[in-house]
Amino acid sequence: AQKITQTQPGMFVQEKEAVTLDCTYDTSDQSYGLFWYKQPSSGEMIFLIYQGSYDEQNATEGRYSLNFQKARKSANLVISASQLGDSAMYFCAMREGLYQAGTALIFGKGTTLSVSS
Amino acid sequence: GAVVSQHPSRVICKSGTSVKIECRSLDFQATTMFWYRQFPKQSLMLMATSNEGSKATYEQGVEKDKFLINHASLTLSTLTVTSAHPEDSSFYICSAIEPGGDTEAFFGQGTRLTVV
Repeated sequence: AQKITQTQPGMFVQEKEAVTLDCTYDTSDQSYGLFWYKQPSSGEMIFLIYQGSYDEQNATEGRYSLNFQKARKSANLVISASQLGDSAMYFCAMREGLYQAGTALIFGKGTTLSVSS
Repeated sequence: GAVVSQHPSRVICKSGTSVKIECRSLDFQATTMFWYRQFPKQSLMLMATSNEGSKATYEQGVEKDKFLINHASLTLSTLTVTSAHPEDSSFYICSAIEPGGDTEAFFGQGTRLTVV
């Protein structure tokens, strides 16, 4: 079974609009972390935002916020006021066993976001 | 944030030759590094976990004899693609987590390998 599910292969949004990228996850661990990364065409992985499983408040980083619904096992990324430079592939990822050394990030399939003017 | 440097960024090699990719943590000591492979417009697939001073742990389906991983020091892990074939052409990217860190993983810039 997939650990991270991103059901939107592509999303289209106009500049200055908000957009939500969906992510659901599957784990039986109590301690885990959820991450969002942006990957432009250059291939670099740009960290956007992190939510720990014990964090009660939704994480926010500038224009990015993570809508964490633990009971539903969802961790959607909300980008407010989209910009042309936001066009990229976005990956949701999870790290289980958060306080154990040596556990890798597992990634979803990604969502390609296209922002138009 | 911490810096992970990966080299080379692009490499073209002939079928049958070997290619070495380096991943360095520049400002922290990484006891564990991770190697991923990514095909165009697809996800990052974990290939192996590289542990300093011990053998790497490979994911199911990854040929350990083809993808040799060495983590000789706390700041350097290498991935060697041996006897490369065109189907090994892909984007390879490494990452590391700071010891005691539970937040972001830091990624190298990635290596685009083309086997001709």
